[in-house]
Order: sequence, then C-alpha cells, then structure tokens
Amino acid sequence: KAGVTQTPRYLIKTRGQQVTLSCSPISGHRSVSWYQQTPGQGLQFLFEYFSETQRNKGNFPGRFSGRQFSNSRSEMNVSTLELGDSALYLCASSLEGRGHEQYFGPGTRLTVT
Amino acid sequence: AQTVTQSQPEMSVQEAETVTLSCTYDTSESNYYLFWYKQPPSRQMILVIRQEAYKQQNATENRFSVNFQKAAKSFSLKISDSQLGDTAMYFCAQETSGSRLTFGEGTQLTVNP
Repeated sequence: KAGVTQTPRYLIKTRGQQVTLSCSPISGHRSVSWYQQTPGQGLQFLFEYFSETQRNKGNFPGRFSGRQFSNSRSEMNVSTLELGDSALYLCASSLEGRGHEQYFGPGTRLTVT
Repeated sequence: AQTVTQSQPEMSVQEAETVTLSCTYDTSESNYYLFWYKQPPSRQMILVIRQEAYKQQNATENRFSVNFQKAAKSFSLKISDSQLGDTAMYFCAQETSGSRLTFGEGTQLTVNP
C-alpha cells in the first residue's frame, strides 16, 4: 500500500496570506489527524477528521481550519498567516482512530516571511 | 492536562550496544495507548512500537522493546544491537481524548560507529 502523501512538500508564504495543505491517507484509512511541529513548541495536535467530520480539536486559533472529503483526503487551511505559523505540518492517518497506529506523511514545510 | 516527559534530550551509544530511552506520562484514564516514534533527519515520523495499557505484557518489535510500568506511569524504550540507521530523534507519545497524540519533547539518539 502507498503511504501517506502530503502536498506541497515546501511552501513559502508572506505574512497575511492564506495557505492550503493537502493530505492523502493510506487507502482504507478513515481517520486523518494534523500536527504542527516547531523547535519551540514541539509536536502539537491541530485536529482530527473521521468520515468527513471533525472529531477532535487542539488548542489553536480559528485561523486554522480543516476538512475531509468523502475519499478521506483532507486539507487544512491557515488564514492570515503569521510569522509564528512557520513550521513542519504533519498529517497522520489511521484505520479508525482511537487505539490504532497512526502513520505519518513526510510533512509540509511552511515558511512565512 | 495530559503530559509526556522525556528527561534525556540527547543520548549516544556505540554500534551493536544496547540503549534505553526514558519516558514518563500522566493520565487519569484507565485504558490508553502509548507509542514510540522515531524521526530521522529526513523528518519522516516512523512508528517504532505500540503498547496497550490494559496489556501487562511488554511490547516487542525485533530489536525494539518496551518496559511498561503502569503504576509508575513509565514507558521506556530499549534498543538492542544498535545500528547506525537508528540515529534519529525519538518521541514518546500517549493517545488521549480520542485519537489525539500527546508527544514528549524528544530524545536525540546518536549511534556511533
């Protein structure tokens, strides 16, 4: 089976712009989670989608949003970008979520200038 | 709030030797899941091992094994016969609140030839 894929791999944006990141889970996986990784804050949970519904949400401002499509592919959107949003954004997929292994994609490196 | 603590920011080991990485966690849940992930320089998060809290038997995956002490809330990772390819950042994680992963700060492991 193909692994989790994320596009784009690298992105440079200007403060104030918005950005959309995409994640395609492993075939058959219905749960997709998003994480932000920074040197200062480490790995932090953004949100989880299961069967097109947001099932869990982390402590991030409303500028961070996401959605999931019927084929389980997921997108996350960040509006009004700030310098502090520069990070590696990781997507993880799992079969059902709770208790199941989460498999990570290679990440999208976002740089905000 | 759930917390995961890795008290060793950096460790090194000689090739073919054994090394143990420490992790403690805090939770009020009775059933939960614990994981170790590795993140090599490529930044790809790779699942190393998974432990179900209600199982007393320690999980093992080839050269990787855990010492799970539920009462002490301790979950250490032992790597036997260390290989150069084991050089990576290792993260301990606990699954909480559904499928949300809470990660520790990470331990940078270097395997020396």
